[in-house]
Amino acid sequence: QQPVQSPQAVILREGEDAVINCSSSKALYSVHWYRQKHGEAPVFLMILLKGGEQKGHEKISASFNEKKQQSSLYLTASQLSYSGTYFCGTVYGGSQGNLIFGKGTKLSVKP
Amino acid sequence: NAGVTQTPKFQVLKTGQSMTLQCAQDMNHEYMSWYRQDPGMGLRLIHYSVGAGITDQGEVPNGYNVSRSTTEDFPLRLLSAAPSQTSVYFCASSSYFSGGADTQYFGPGTRLTVL
Repeated sequence: QQPVQSPQAVILREGEDAVINCSSSKALYSVHWYRQKHGEAPVFLMILLKGGEQKGHEKISASFNEKKQQSSLYLTASQLSYSGTYFCGTVYGGSQGNLIFGKGTKLSVKP
Repeated sequence: NAGVTQTPKFQVLKTGQSMTLQCAQDMNHEYMSWYRQDPGMGLRLIHYSVGAGITDQGEVPNGYNVSRSTTEDFPLRLLSAAPSQTSVYFCASSSYFSGGADTQYFGPGTRLTVL
């Protein structure tokens, strides 16, 4: 069951901030965030594990609320290079680690 | 390290033809998977494998077969291509810990068109 991402799209000016949300109806073991630029493969940004451990990108932060089964990705002081489609992927407990992706959030950063 | 490689990059098939999409990784990853990406649908899991000789179905497995005879290779077979299988296909691999996949490394993708 795909996690739900919001918003579907967002347009920013350089330097502005954005938040992308990801929610699930099932209990989560971990949440992964990826960014994909047009015509390219998705690239890893961050993993948030149940229990609070995180690993990932230096300039992008995220949160994981296990009780609410939600995660948010925070993009601060956005740069032109942040443009792309952001996907959250969820791993459900007992699923052997299968990563199920949401439909994506398209982020456009304008000069 | 080459990472995850996929061949071919582009392919056009006629309805009913069969073909195999190749995927290989040189990172000694236990976990490998195939996704398809369609506009507005995100990435959907087709099949996955947690090690050589072990495969299982993902979200959208119908019309596809996989096998994993070695750690490095994970080919995806289309048995009888249909226009609904027109998509971009990504192979991914990761190490595997405590039942939760680690960072997924994606191949460059195969763009498949079925006429």
